[in-house]
Order: sequence, then structure tokens, then C-alpha cells
Amino acid sequence: AQSVAQPEDQVNVAEGNPLTVKCTYSVSGNPYLFWYVQYPNRGLQFLLKYITGDNLVKGSYGFEAEFNKSQTSFHLKKPSALVSDSALYFCAVRPRSGGYNKLIFGAGTRLAVHP
Amino acid sequence: DARVTQTPRHKVTEMGQEVTMRCQPILGHNTVFWYRQTMMQGLELLAYFRNRAPLDDSGMPKDRFSAEMPDATLATLKIQPSEPRDSAVYFCASGLVPGNSGSPDTQYFGPGTRLTVL
Repeated sequence: AQSVAQPEDQVNVAEGNPLTVKCTYSVSGNPYLFWYVQYPNRGLQFLLKYITGDNLVKGSYGFEAEFNKSQTSFHLKKPSALVSDSALYFCAVRPRSGGYNKLIFGAGTRLAVHP
Repeated sequence: DARVTQTPRHKVTEMGQEVTMRCQPILGHNTVFWYRQTMMQGLELLAYFRNRAPLDDSGMPKDRFSAEMPDATLATLKIQPSEPRDSAVYFCASGLVPGNSGSPDTQYFGPGTRLTVL
């Protein structure tokens, strides 16, 4: 079965330190990969996506993600965390074949950045 | 700044009542998705429309839920009768898939409707 795993329910980081939010997937082929962020009482906001090309994708708010095909991972990173980055982060994948635009979401990882 | 809008933002109702949630996708988008978010289940896809046609509603309880797109600017999700277990935040998202391209669109989410069924 196709699935997305975010192994950490919560990640705690001190402001100014680098952060990583992990994501691995089990989807046949080379899926499209996405990261979304959700702030309290808000909808999900698109951060970045990987379609093809460079394994390092740059997105909004200084975030980037690294695609690793051999490890089937797409970890979200930021060199220097801000308190305002504290939110719920979702990894999502979409299979390339099938002609259907359905996203498969992970369970989410709560990022807490402490001053 | 184009956005997906949803109404109402909050809804409290009693068990057995009908609930209708509305979504206005971003103008020009041709895909609409309905999701439900709960603490226990996370994000669940309920329905998917493309060019106003329902392509997938397998995630939706058929006996009480229905989703429609009367026109390109309005999508509705209806629950009749509502039950306490339907309490959740319901999100609408829209995107644009150009022609028959397999290129993925980006889904843009609305602010959600927080539903509480007593």
C-alpha cells in the first residue's frame, strides 16, 4: 500500500539552530513530493514541491527539502529556525502514474521552535 | 491575492441536523478537493472534482455525505443527517491541472470549516 511516514510527532529546536523534519514514502515509481505547513486555526499552505531535476528544492520562508531516491526520503530543512516557524508540517506525495491528482499525506510533525 | 474561501468558518449543530459547507475555489482552477481533519485520523480525502465532474468520492460515507459542484465557482459538501462523529475541520482545496498534462498541480487550501455536532 502507498504510504507516507513522518516518524516524529514533534521536533523541538532552539531558535537560530538548523532544523530537519523527516519524511519517507512508500510509493511505486518516482512520485511528486510536497511539503505543506499548517498554522493554528488555518488551512494548509504550500511550501515546496519536487517534480524533477535537482535533488535540493528551495521553497517559501527559507525552507528547502532534499530528495533522496535511494532512501525514498524527502526531508524538510532550514538552516536557521525562527520562533514563527512553529507549526504543523505535512509531507505529501502524488504518484506520477494513474492520471489522478490525489495526494497522500503523512500524519504531520509538530515543529516547536524555542526562543 | 487569490484565495480559496469557505463558509461558514464555524458551525455548531445538533445531531440529526443537515449541514452544508460551501467552498469557492480560486478563479480559473479546475480541480477541487474536500478533506476532513481530525486528531485521530489526520487528513482524509473525502472527494475530488475535476472540471466540475466528481472523480473520486470513495473516502466519503455515501449514506450521509454528498458533494457537488453546481458551477465552477461553488463546491458544496452536505451532511444529512449529521452525527457527533462528523465533528472535524473540513477543508476545501483547489488547483489547476493544465489540459491532459500529468504535471501535478499545487493544491491551495481554504481556511476550513470547524464543525461541531452535539
